Amino acid sequence: GAGVSQSPRYKVTKRGQDVTLRCDPISSHATLYWYQQALGQGPEFLTYFNYEAQPDKSGLPSDRFSAERPEGSISTLTIQRTEQRDSAMYRCASSRLAGFETQYFGPGTRLLVL
Amino acid sequence: AQSVTQLDSQVPVFEEAPVELRCNYSSSVSVYLFWYVQYPNQGLQLLLKYLSGSTLVKGINGFEAEFNKSQTSFHLRKPSVHISDTAEYFCAVTGISNFGNEKLTFGTGTRLTIIP
Repeated sequence: GAGVSQSPRYKVTKRGQDVTLRCDPISSHATLYWYQQALGQGPEFLTYFNYEAQPDKSGLPSDRFSAERPEGSISTLTIQRTEQRDSAMYRCASSRLAGFETQYFGPGTRLLVL
Repeated sequence: AQSVTQLDSQVPVFEEAPVELRCNYSSSVSVYLFWYVQYPNQGLQLLLKYLSGSTLVKGINGFEAEFNKSQTSFHLRKPSVHISDTAEYFCAVTGISNFGNEKLTFGTGTRLTIIP
């Protein structure tokens, strides 16, 4: 695609529900990142993929968070049993390769947990 | 590990005046530095980056930044701002030892407001 797209753009859910966020990177981009941005803060790293491999999950806040990229393209971020503290903007970025290539960001998904 | 400090959360500037947005970083290894801009209702967009070479880096929309290793700073400047520069600006860093996982560490952002 022409740019990184994310869906949904906005999600309101009730505490305890599961949510899945989707990221569609720029086509042919090998590397994909997920970031979480709380209100008034900068984005914070969650995890990343090189193709379908997920070498680093160190930023995931708890085991309720998981991410997949089964075919090395589209990625999903799933939050199980959501809590109010999960409310944030979730940002996806992709880059052509690893190696300090520019990261291109999508518009983000704003999640609100009631 | 790296960290980034953007001391100014909000900066109001008159149109056509110069602006400097401050960024300081901390790292135990050499770093690469970035400035991203977020316009209202849009995603983050890369303004400029420093990887190596000249410490003065020019980016899009007339912005430039200077890498100062001794002061661990990477301040962003523009000599004359326009209304369209109203946005939030994020400084980010990654360590060169992170090769293969260039996860960015961001500052908390500076909201630039241009006053007509």
